[in-house]
Amino acid sequence: SAVISQKPSRDICQRGTSLTIQCQVDSQVTMMFWYRQQPGQSLTLIATANQGSEATYESGFVIDKFPISRPNLTFSTLTVSNMSPEDSSIYLCSVEGVGNTIYFGEGSWLTVV
Amino acid sequence: AQSVAQPEDQVNVAEGNPLTVKCTYSVSGNPYLFWYVQYPNRGLQFLLKYITGDNLVKGSYGFEAEFNKSQTSFHLKKPSALVSDSALYFCAVRDIHGSWGKLQFGAGTQVVVTP
Repeated sequence: SAVISQKPSRDICQRGTSLTIQCQVDSQVTMMFWYRQQPGQSLTLIATANQGSEATYESGFVIDKFPISRPNLTFSTLTVSNMSPEDSSIYLCSVEGVGNTIYFGEGSWLTVV
Repeated sequence: AQSVAQPEDQVNVAEGNPLTVKCTYSVSGNPYLFWYVQYPNRGLQFLLKYITGDNLVKGSYGFEAEFNKSQTSFHLKKPSALVSDSALYFCAVRDIHGSWGKLQFGAGTQVVVTP
């Protein structure tokens, strides 16, 4: 299985500020995915991050709000910009491992006050 | 479009009894199906998957799931539940003809196992 590390694990942020979440994988992967899990809700895909190209965003998510970087095959960042309390969520990084299995990190628990 | 339904918000079971968590899916092609578990204040842990082959899939922690194409179901089962199995369980489907890697999740089922 892939080992995925996310930083920060938790944070409390002021509204109007931005936070960058880092995702590090222990092996090279082609695609990385960012999901959001709002309180008491299921997971929703924000975007797919491919190395060497711009991220592909799902409906309802835009690059200005959630800019993503993918500088190499083991690392990606997601920035949550101009945060509001509605952005309080768990943000999860995921990758495709061996055998088409999708693995998830422990998540970054964000509270906006 | 792909979709997943978990019809039960919560499943209550006594320790030692069989546990079943239901999942039905809808995809345009052949599905890749997954079950994940989320313990309190944790991320998602992979339990098992169906890609192809035997309809009965065995996974982690004694869980198994049966793929039923005619009923478009992929129910998660455990013969004898433990209190430590109390968690939130998610079924997910990946459409191999759609956005590669994109998982569509069900709403989740809270499992409560009582001693």
